[in-house]
Amino acid sequence: SQQGEEDPQALSIQEGENATMNCSYKTSINNLQWYRQNSGRGLVHLILIRSNEREKHSGRLRVTLDTSKKSSSLLITASRAADTASYFCAISGNTPLVFGKGTRLSVIA
Amino acid sequence: DAGITQSPRHKVTETGTPVTLRCHQTENHRYMYWYRQDPGHGLRLIHYSYGVKDTDKGEVSDGYSVSRSKTEDFLLTLESATSSQTSVYFCAISATGGTTNEKLFFGSGTQLSVL
Repeated sequence: SQQGEEDPQALSIQEGENATMNCSYKTSINNLQWYRQNSGRGLVHLILIRSNEREKHSGRLRVTLDTSKKSSSLLITASRAADTASYFCAISGNTPLVFGKGTRLSVIA
Repeated sequence: DAGITQSPRHKVTETGTPVTLRCHQTENHRYMYWYRQDPGHGLRLIHYSYGVKDTDKGEVSDGYSVSRSKTEDFLLTLESATSSQTSVYFCAISATGGTTNEKLFFGSGTQLSVL
C-alpha cells in the first residue's frame, strides 16, 4: 500500500513546546505533503517536499524527508493553542494522493 | 475554501435510496476528487476525474458512481445507500495530478447519515 502512516496517533503538549509528527511509507514517491484539519473542516495544505529535497521550512513548520528510510517528519515550533488539529501526511507517487490516518495534536494553553 | 462548494452540507437518508452529492469549483482546475473520511481509516479515495467525462476509480469505489459533464462540477452518486456509507465526504481539486500531484484544495465536506 502507498499509504503513509503517521506516528504518534495522538500528541498532547503545552503551549510553547515543539511538536513532532512522523510519517512512514513503503513505496517510491514523487513528493510528500502535509495537511492540517481543524475539527469539522476540510483539510488545508501546509507544505510539500519533493523527493530530491531533504528539508523545507515554512514559518514555524519544518519538514524533513529521508527517502532512504522512507520517512518524513513535521516539526511545529513554539506551538499555540490554535495549532490544535489533526495532521495528515499524503504520499504522491503514481496515483492520486494517498493520505495517512493522521496525528491528533492537542496544544494546551 | 479556495472556490469549492459542496452540497448539501448535511444529509440524512434511508437505506436503499439513491443519493447525489455535488462539488462545484470556480478555480477551473482539471483534477477533482472525492474522498470519504471515517474514524480509524483516515481519508480514502472513492473516485477522481482528470477532465470532463474522464474519471477513474479509487480505493473504495464499490457502490459509488461519478459524473463530470462540466469542468466545474463533479457529482458523486450512491446508487443505493447503505449504512456503511455513513461518512463525511470531501471533494478536493488540484491543478495537476497523475505523477505530478501538487497540493489539493478541499471543500468543507458533506456529513451523510444513512439510517
